[in-house]
Amino acid sequence: NAGVTQTPKFQVLKTGQSMTLQCAQDMNHNSMYWYRQDPGMGLRLIYYSASEGTTDKGEVPNGYNVSRLNKREFSLRLESAAPSQTSVYFCASSDYVNGYTFGSGTRLTVV
Amino acid sequence: QKEVEQDPGPLSVPEGAIVSLNCTYSNSAFQYFMWYRQYSRKGPELLMYTYSSGNKEDGRFTAQVDKSSKYISLFIRDSQPSDSATYLCAMNSGGSNYKLTFGKGTLLTVNP
Repeated sequence: NAGVTQTPKFQVLKTGQSMTLQCAQDMNHNSMYWYRQDPGMGLRLIYYSASEGTTDKGEVPNGYNVSRLNKREFSLRLESAAPSQTSVYFCASSDYVNGYTFGSGTRLTVV
Repeated sequence: QKEVEQDPGPLSVPEGAIVSLNCTYSNSAFQYFMWYRQYSRKGPELLMYTYSSGNKEDGRFTAQVDKSSKYISLFIRDSQPSDSATYLCAMNSGGSNYKLTFGKGTLLTVNP
C-alpha cells in the first residue's frame, strides 16, 4: 500500500540509550517531517526536510538528530534518551499540494 | 497568543446530531486550511482541504473559512459513532511555506 511506513511501532528504552526511528514514503514526495504528539500539547514539529539533501529544525529539536538518507527515507535519532522524550512520534510527507500523509506512529517509552 | 487555537473539548453528541468544530488563527498570511481526523492510536488522515475563504462540501462534511474573522469551521451532518475521533485543524500560507501549523485537536465522541 502506498503511504508512509514507520518502524518500529513500539519501543521501550532505558535512560541514556540511543535509537533510530525509521520512516519511508513511496509517494515521491519532496518534503518529510517528524512530529511528536503528547497529551494536551498537540503535534509539535521536531525536524523537517524540505527536499532531499536539506534538513531544518522545527519547534522542539533538542535531543534529536535527523538524516534524509534519500528522497524516500527520513530517520530520527535519539542519541541519549531521556524520560521527557516519552511520546508518540509521527513521520509525515508532503507534495505541497495535497497536505500531509502521516505514518501510523511509533510509541516510545523511556524509563 | 498562539498562532492557532482550538478548543480541545471533549465534545460528546448523540448519533445524528450536527457537529461544529472550530479553530481561530492569528496569522493573516494563512491561505490553505485543512482538517485532519485522527482515530485513537492511529496517525492523522487528511479529511478536508480548502483554499482561502468560502465553503467546501464533501458528503456529510462541510469546511468553512472566514478569513476576515480568522475563523475556520468543520461541520459534520448526521454524525455517526464512526466519526468519533480527534479532529485537528491545520493551515499554512502556501508557496514555499510548506510547513503546517496545527491546532491541538478536539476530541469528539458520537454516542449511539
